[in-house]
Amino acid sequence: DVKVTQSSRYLVKRTGEKVFLECVQDMDHENMFWYRQDPGLGLRLIYFSYDVKMKEKGDIPEGYSVSREKKERFSLILESASTNQTSMYLCASTSGLDAYEQYFGPGTRLTVT
Amino acid sequence: GQQLNQSPQSMFIQEGEDVSMNCTSSSIFNTWLWYKQDPGEGPVLLIALYKAGELTSNGRLTAQFGITRKDSFLNISASIPSDVGIYFCKGGSEKLVFGKGTKLTVNP
Repeated sequence: DVKVTQSSRYLVKRTGEKVFLECVQDMDHENMFWYRQDPGLGLRLIYFSYDVKMKEKGDIPEGYSVSREKKERFSLILESASTNQTSMYLCASTSGLDAYEQYFGPGTRLTVT
Repeated sequence: GQQLNQSPQSMFIQEGEDVSMNCTSSSIFNTWLWYKQDPGEGPVLLIALYKAGELTSNGRLTAQFGITRKDSFLNISASIPSDVGIYFCKGGSEKLVFGKGTKLTVNP
């Protein structure tokens, strides 16, 4: 079974802090994604990556950056957290062959106070 | 940009009832997928559809890829309490586009 893990299930940070959200997948998938999920807005794509050291902006990249130094790990960085970044963050991965079938991690619920 | 209209937004049903939800778009998609998200967890893939007109079942779940490639529906038969959650459709082409979800509540 594909396993996607995220470093924390719940996180509380203060405004202005630098926040790192880590995602690791164990199936050698090429593609990795970061979404945020908010009530009434569904899943919105922040960034994605099709290869190591490669990144592409999604629909809402502002205020975020990413890092992919190894194939299995994709990090989301909030350079200076703000209260409007309080959300559920979901990481996903897909293989190159079944690129539409995403496997999701359990999510990190981030609260910025 | 591409958008999906998923309906209904929420459903409250009695255990044993059948459920139907759908997604429509003005854009054509190459694939339609349906996910379920349990409370506090990430979405899990239920059914993937790759051909217009395709009808696929997974246990009590049945999904169809519309002939026009602009819509899809998901049916759940004989609902049970563990069907509770949020169901998302997703269209795939050059981009992956999610619907906003249908929140299902099942009363025992």
